[in-house]
Amino acid sequence: EAGVAQSPRYKIIEKRQSVAFWCNPISGHATLYWYQQILGQGPKLLIQFQNNGVVDDSQLPKDRFSAERLKGVDSTLKIQPAKLEDSAVYLCASSLSDEQFFGPGTRLTVL
Amino acid sequence: GEDVEQSLFLSVREGDSSVINCTYTDSSSTYLYWYKQEPGAGLQLLTYIFSNMDMKQDQRLTVLLNKKDKHLSLRIADTQTGDSAIYFCAESYTGRRALTFGSGTRLQVQP
Repeated sequence: EAGVAQSPRYKIIEKRQSVAFWCNPISGHATLYWYQQILGQGPKLLIQFQNNGVVDDSQLPKDRFSAERLKGVDSTLKIQPAKLEDSAVYLCASSLSDEQFFGPGTRLTVL
Repeated sequence: GEDVEQSLFLSVREGDSSVINCTYTDSSSTYLYWYKQEPGAGLQLLTYIFSNMDMKQDQRLTVLLNKKDKHLSLRIADTQTGDSAIYFCAESYTGRRALTFGSGTRLQVQP
């Protein structure tokens, strides 16, 4: 069974630029999560989808971050414009029930 | 509010047992998880325990849950150098399946 796929793996941009990350969850998993992991910390939830609907986006900085999951399968997370403090690993996870499976993450560096 | 705390660092010798501890504050936690993260990699689910259980064993891993003290531990028997990684404790509860993570415990295994 294929795991959660994410791309790109690494991205370096300058502040005020835009960036987008892509996630393809495990086939059949209705729930998809985006987490932000800052160096030295545990992951923190940004947004949770159930199929193509948003369940929880209370921690998403909506002035600059957006995410969508239009067909209830893959998802994109966008940052526009990026700030220095957005440097982190962005992790996508999916679940069918109680177990969440994580992708390898996208490491974003904002200069 | 939700808070999960872990000690930052643990060093053991190869062949010894490792015990990684975690405390949480949310009494409505339903599931408690242990994830492993190796350098540059995503999070690997090791095991999880439902809140009505006291103990769960899976090969070299033993999870102990003390609900009264809101304390969770992960014991790794016969620790190997390949167990060197960061271990994250996480919780979720019915109605909010997104995970709240601790800051991680770095396990160093010395040959």
